[in-house]
Amino acid sequence: DAGVTQSPTHLIKTRGQQVTLRCSPISGHKSVSWYQQVLGQGPQFIFQYYEKEERGRGNFPDRFSARQFPNYSSELNVNALLLGDSALYLCASSPSATGESQPQHFGDGTRLSIL
Amino acid sequence: AQSVTQLGSHVSVSEGALVLLRCNYSSSVPPYLFWYVQYPNQGLQLLLKYTTGATLVKGINGFEAEFKKSETSFHLTKPSAHMSDAAEYFCAVTKYNNNDMRFGAGTRLTVKP
Repeated sequence: DAGVTQSPTHLIKTRGQQVTLRCSPISGHKSVSWYQQVLGQGPQFIFQYYEKEERGRGNFPDRFSARQFPNYSSELNVNALLLGDSALYLCASSPSATGESQPQHFGDGTRLSIL
Repeated sequence: AQSVTQLGSHVSVSEGALVLLRCNYSSSVPPYLFWYVQYPNQGLQLLLKYTTGATLVKGINGFEAEFKKSETSFHLTKPSAHMSDAAEYFCAVTKYNNNDMRFGAGTRLTVKP
């Protein structure tokens, strides 16, 4: 069975640009979460989506947005990119929205570099 | 609010030696606790989890962890380190009713031959 897939694997952007990252969850998983992992730190929670609705949001500015599609795939959008947005962006999926459905399964991430 | 503290950003052991990676948590409700491993340029792979029930949890690759409520700890151990265990290890906590997982800063494990 395919795991969580993310695209692209690497991306280079310049300050002020916009970026869209994509995630396909494991088949049958309806919850998708996004995390930002800055080099040398642990992942930080950005968003959780379940059944196309936002179920949780971390402490990130409004430049970050996301959505989930009917097939449960998801996109993370970041506008007005800053140097500090350079990070590995991880997507995780799980069968449902609660901790009882853990664990979350992670993709290999998209490495975003801002010049 | 939930949080996790991993004691020691770097741990170095000799091959065959005991591995002990420390994790303490803070949670206002009964926590769900996890250990993940991350190899270079990869995502996170689940090693083990504690939700309810037995407090000694066995995971993959010979790792285990014990949930100690009185000490608010969930330390990861392995009796004998292998070279392939060299990686970054993350402890994480969440609650039963959401998927907002809070991670520690990570511990980099080095295994010396």
